[in-house]
Order: sequence, then structure tokens, then C-alpha cells
Amino acid sequence: SYELTQPPSVSVSPGQTARITCSGDALSKQYAYWYQQKPGQAPVVMISKDTERPSGIPERFSGSTSGTTVTLTISGVQAEDEADYYCQSADSSSSYWVFGGGTKLTVL
Amino acid sequence: EVQLLESGGGLVQPGGSLRLSCAASGFTFNNYVMSWVRQSPGKGLEWVSLISFTGVNTYYADSVKGRFTISRDNSKNTLFLQMNGLRAEDTAIYYCAKRDCIGTKCYSFDYWGQGTLVTVSS
Repeated sequence: SYELTQPPSVSVSPGQTARITCSGDALSKQYAYWYQQKPGQAPVVMISKDTERPSGIPERFSGSTSGTTVTLTISGVQAEDEADYYCQSADSSSSYWVFGGGTKLTVL
Repeated sequence: EVQLLESGGGLVQPGGSLRLSCAASGFTFNNYVMSWVRQSPGKGLEWVSLISFTGVNTYYADSVKGRFTISRDNSKNTLFLQMNGLRAEDTAIYYCAKRDCIGTKCYSFDYWGQGTLVTVSS
């Protein structure tokens, strides 16, 4: 199997910048994706292919990558951004998909 | 509009079986790789299984390998998950998810259903 590691929680005040990291051995070879999930709802993809923002996703959401760590950055956090965030990728052989453990973003 | 509608969840005893279905609409079903993802109560997302465009290739998480079988009927635009030997730890919401594919290259899980709840308990 394969694992992705995220911090369990991140807290920021409105208007500040939130950064959520995700680390995994194959992240230098495989794309990472970020999903937002609010209570009672299905996940929504926020960042695709490490850095691409799908249509309809606010510009304050961005992704970056460095070696085996990827980062989701939310600039100018708003109250509505409070949610669980999951990174997702695949192992180096593209035969096993995995989600990180999730990070609960709290907007203070 | 892409729609994924799961069904088949419910209460089942340990060791029992259940078959989940996911009815897809709004896109050309056989042009996309499909997957099942689950979420236990209060826990994170867990990838369960994935199936290729034609159904020839299937992949499973270690936690379900040998017990679950993914399949698809492209003529009926439907994805399935046959779950046998169910355990308490299989209790979860099961989501059907479509992959974002361009030709044979696939990327994120770009559309999700609302999920169906499976409860394994005596």
C-alpha cells in the first residue's frame, strides 16, 4: 500500500493565509489532487494535477509542489472555507490510489 | 449535467453480502474510469476500488481485496460493487466517483455521487 500524510488540523483567522501540506514518497512522480468536503456533502475537487484550479474554484485556492510534498494554499481565508481538506494521489505504478488522512481547517 | 446515483446500501450482518449500484448520466459512461470511495462515520476518505474504461482492469485497496468485486455495465451506464464477507469495519458511506479522463489519461475524481450508507452490524 501507500500513504499520504497531512496535519490533522489547521486554524487561521479570516483574511489570513492557510497552508495545508501533504507528503508522500511518490508525489515527485505522481500528480496530487485536493478535495474540500463540508459536513454532509460529497467531496469537491479544488486543485487538480498539483497546481490547476478547476473551473468555478475561487482564485484564493492554489496548489504547489516541492519534491515529495505538495501544499494547498488558501489566501484570504473566508468563513465558508471551513471544511475538511484531503489530498489524493496514486502510487508510483498507478495501481493504488490513496487519500491523505484529511486536515480540518478551522476559521477562527 | 453529470449525475451519479448510488443505491443498494443498508444494514447487513457480519459475514453477509451487499451489491451497490451507481447509475450514471450526463456523460459518455464508457469513456471514463470509475471508482468507489468510502468514508466511515467521522473518519476520512478511503479509496476502495477502481475499474478501467472497458472493465478489463480492476484495482482494489488492500482492506477489501478478495472480498469486494467492482464491475460495470457500459450498456446500462451502471457501476457496481459486490461486497462479500462484510465486516464491522466496512461500515461507511460508499461514494461512486468518476475520474476526469482525457483520452486514456485520467486525473482527479471530478464528480461524486451523494453516497449510500452501508452498516455492518448484528
